[in-house]
Amino acid sequence: QVQLVQSGAEVKKPGSSVKVSCKASGGTFSRYTISWVRQAPGQGLEWMGRIIPMFGTPNHAQKFQGRVTISADESASTAYMELSSLRFEDTAVYYCARLRVDAFDIWGQGTMVVVSS
Amino acid sequence: AIQLTQSPSSLSASVGDRVTITCRASQGISSALAWYQQKPGKAPQLLIHDASSLESGVPSRFSASGSGTDFTLTISSLQPEDFATYYCHHFNSYLSTFGPGTKVDIK
Repeated sequence: QVQLVQSGAEVKKPGSSVKVSCKASGGTFSRYTISWVRQAPGQGLEWMGRIIPMFGTPNHAQKFQGRVTISADESASTAYMELSSLRFEDTAVYYCARLRVDAFDIWGQGTMVVVSS
Repeated sequence: AIQLTQSPSSLSASVGDRVTITCRASQGISSALAWYQQKPGKAPQLLIHDASSLESGVPSRFSASGSGTDFTLTISSLQPEDFATYYCHHFNSYLSTFGPGTKVDIK
């Protein structure tokens, strides 16, 4: 059974960057789409972007244009999401999730990112 | 981009109640819709995929229907563990979007 294990919580200053990792274990990693979804405190789910590790070509929501970099290292079975120019409103839990056809069937445990001065 | 709306945004119900949540897409999406349950402090859990297919391991009191622009999620007999927030979700080849969520709490 595939599991997605994410890196630990981060506290960042406004204007800095954060890189969150998502390591897959127990199954095939490369051929599935991995998406990143975030959830601000008390808010709903917001899709950020995705990558298919086998192909390596990411795409992302327009809202994050120029600020988000999604990548993957097949050899490490790990996907990454880097968000730059952090703002207070980027404080959120960041999830990675595996897309199976048209739904996210496996989720990471979430990574809390706090942007604070 | 496709937008998803949900109604109601919240509801109060009792154990044993039948609960229905609606999700509407801004344009037709065929059956490319999923439903998730999220409890506080936890990652979302997939309940339904392909608009009406029950995910393995999900109790049969959950059902869903719809296609095109209008979709529903039904809980036939609400159980204590069902008090949570429910999200609909659409994914196409490149983009993904979630509904704003429906919070189900105890009356």
